[in-house]
Amino acid sequence: ETGVTQTPRHLVMGMTNKKSLKCEQHLGHNAMYWYKQSAKKPLELMFVYNFKEQTENNSVPSRFSPECPNSSHLFLHLHTLQPEDSALYLCASSQDGAEGKGEQFFGPGTRLTVL
Amino acid sequence: AQKITQTQPGMFVQEKEAVTLDCTYDTSDPSYGLFWYKQPSSGEMIFLIYQGSYDQQNATEGRYSLNFQKARKSANLVISASQLGDSAMYFCAMREGITGGGNKLTFGTGTQLKVEL
Repeated sequence: ETGVTQTPRHLVMGMTNKKSLKCEQHLGHNAMYWYKQSAKKPLELMFVYNFKEQTENNSVPSRFSPECPNSSHLFLHLHTLQPEDSALYLCASSQDGAEGKGEQFFGPGTRLTVL
Repeated sequence: AQKITQTQPGMFVQEKEAVTLDCTYDTSDPSYGLFWYKQPSSGEMIFLIYQGSYDQQNATEGRYSLNFQKARKSANLVISASQLGDSAMYFCAMREGITGGGNKLTFGTGTQLKVEL
């Protein structure tokens, strides 16, 4: 595997279900991100992890719970979601530091539908 | 105020022609970075080009170039010799400050580019 991978690619869940999204980066980066992309809206940054520590929680509802067990893996645990949470969830990683551009590399996303 | 503004929701260009996608930004931080990403219908965001606020020259990457006008706070993407595979959504994004603590990007609403024969 290369780059950033995400599983599953598609997920349909009911409002009472619990599910998890998984992201893995094979780039040796030290920062990982979750974004939400809804139709006709800009990408919304949800969470940032830097060296496994959460450095940003962008006022995300508690029904979204991130987990970063190591610098290569990032999870987004979902429970009691609402239909308006249906969106494309993108994971990204970057090499964070004073040098370089710090560009983020994205995974293919998980298309989530909440019924 | 919007930090990143992309005023063109949709653009059409003929194959082999050049096209400019507009982006203006708003920041009071003297140190920032500007990025362009391409998102095909498959969903994955692909990094195209980067311009740092202190870079003296406009960035270029193959057929992509960035027309950086700092005083006007604009960072337009120019795609030369358009190809059918360039049809996609294009996003402009900005990072304020130097890297550290995670590179938080603010994205614009995007421009849908369609390349025609």
